[in-house]
Amino acid sequence: DTGVSQNPRHKITKRGQNVTFRCDPISEHNRLYWYRQTLGQGPEFLTYFQNEAQLEKSRLLSDRFSAERPKGSFSTLEIQRTEQGDSAMYLCASGASGNTDTQYFGPGTRLTVL
Amino acid sequence: TQLLEQSPQFLSIQEGENLTVYCNSSSVFSSLQWYRQEPGEGPVLLVTVVTGGEVKKLKRLTFQFGDARKDSSLHITAAQPGDTGLYLCAGASNQGGKLIFGQGTELSVKP
Repeated sequence: DTGVSQNPRHKITKRGQNVTFRCDPISEHNRLYWYRQTLGQGPEFLTYFQNEAQLEKSRLLSDRFSAERPKGSFSTLEIQRTEQGDSAMYLCASGASGNTDTQYFGPGTRLTVL
Repeated sequence: TQLLEQSPQFLSIQEGENLTVYCNSSSVFSSLQWYRQEPGEGPVLLVTVVTGGEVKKLKRLTFQFGDARKDSSLHITAAQPGDTGLYLCAGASNQGGKLIFGQGTELSVKP
């Protein structure tokens, strides 16, 4: 399967713990996006990379959140000192520059903070 | 702030009926994408529309982008239970950047 992959698929953690999620984009895509989706809502943009450069961050991305894409391939999203309000589905998408902004999504990581 | 208003939010119909989902904004988008999402999974791309007035068909699904590129619609003919899911529209405001999503339409097709 050459689609976008995300790991883990599910994560349950206690409040105050740190968590890290990984996204592997479609191999020929140079753009990678992170979104967050809560129940009953559409996804909300968090941040995006073109190659290894982080080009845009949403104000939703508090200082407890950090994302990296060190070699322009896979990306990680870390949440420090998790709060119950961080419980959500975290979605990764990738796309190719020069395309019509089309983004392809991974299966998501479901985070539950107890 | 760019917003996409999607309607209706919920739709429950019988197999064989037709339906239309609307996606409206006061903002212009460079392109608009429609996705379908199942519980616990990521959104799956159905179509991207780019040109104002563009119409695309995918089997029983017809997508239209408004002339001014501010709105779009999804029409399903003869809905089937397999069409059940969350339908999301998403607009791109600038090349390569973030997508702005509507809140989704939860469709249930009963046999």
